[in-house]
Amino acid sequence: NAGVTQTPKFQVLKTGQSMTLQCAQDMNHEYMSWYRQDPGMGLRLIHYSVGAGITDQGEVPNGYNVSRSTTEDFPLRLLSAAPSQTSVYFCASMKGVNSPLHFGNGTRLTVT
Amino acid sequence: SQQGEEDPQALSIQEGENATMNCSYKTSINNLQWYRQNSGRGLVHLILIRSNEREKHSGRLRVTLDTSKKSSSLLITASRAADTASYFCAPRDTGRRALTFGSGTRLQVQP
Repeated sequence: NAGVTQTPKFQVLKTGQSMTLQCAQDMNHEYMSWYRQDPGMGLRLIHYSVGAGITDQGEVPNGYNVSRSTTEDFPLRLLSAAPSQTSVYFCASMKGVNSPLHFGNGTRLTVT
Repeated sequence: SQQGEEDPQALSIQEGENATMNCSYKTSINNLQWYRQNSGRGLVHLILIRSNEREKHSGRLRVTLDTSKKSSSLLITASRAADTASYFCAPRDTGRRALTFGSGTRLQVQP
């Protein structure tokens, strides 16, 4: 199993551009989530999904959209990038409520 | 969903010493999880302790949970330089799936 795969690993955007961060898992996990981590900080939850077709907002959802059309994929869309969205983005998945989260290796995004 | 608060924020010890990190939370939990993050990498799960458990061991790791005090501790015994990382606790609210994280404890183990 590849686990949780995030692409790209690095991305530089200009203010106002849009892009999609990809996340895929091959463990048949129902739950998936997106976090951002700013330098020296903890992780903040952006959006999460408890199954295909179901998404919900986390702590910092503004400026981000998600959809969950399949169990495997959970893309994160930045609609109009802002410098405040410069961060490292982590995707994670989990089998059930008493299971651990499995994390991807992150996407490092810089918005200039 | 709630996030745990780790204490201390930073900890520096010598190789071979024990490291203790604490976590406090606010509401009823289903379980509490500890994660490690090496610099620039994704978090790695260490231990999950359920609300009806008081202590759990995994190798050099020992986790305790006191639900009456809403607190948990992570003990790393005989620390190694490779244990240098940030450590996060994540309490899982009863009935909630979303997991949130605090700012973590940054552990530095000096060789």
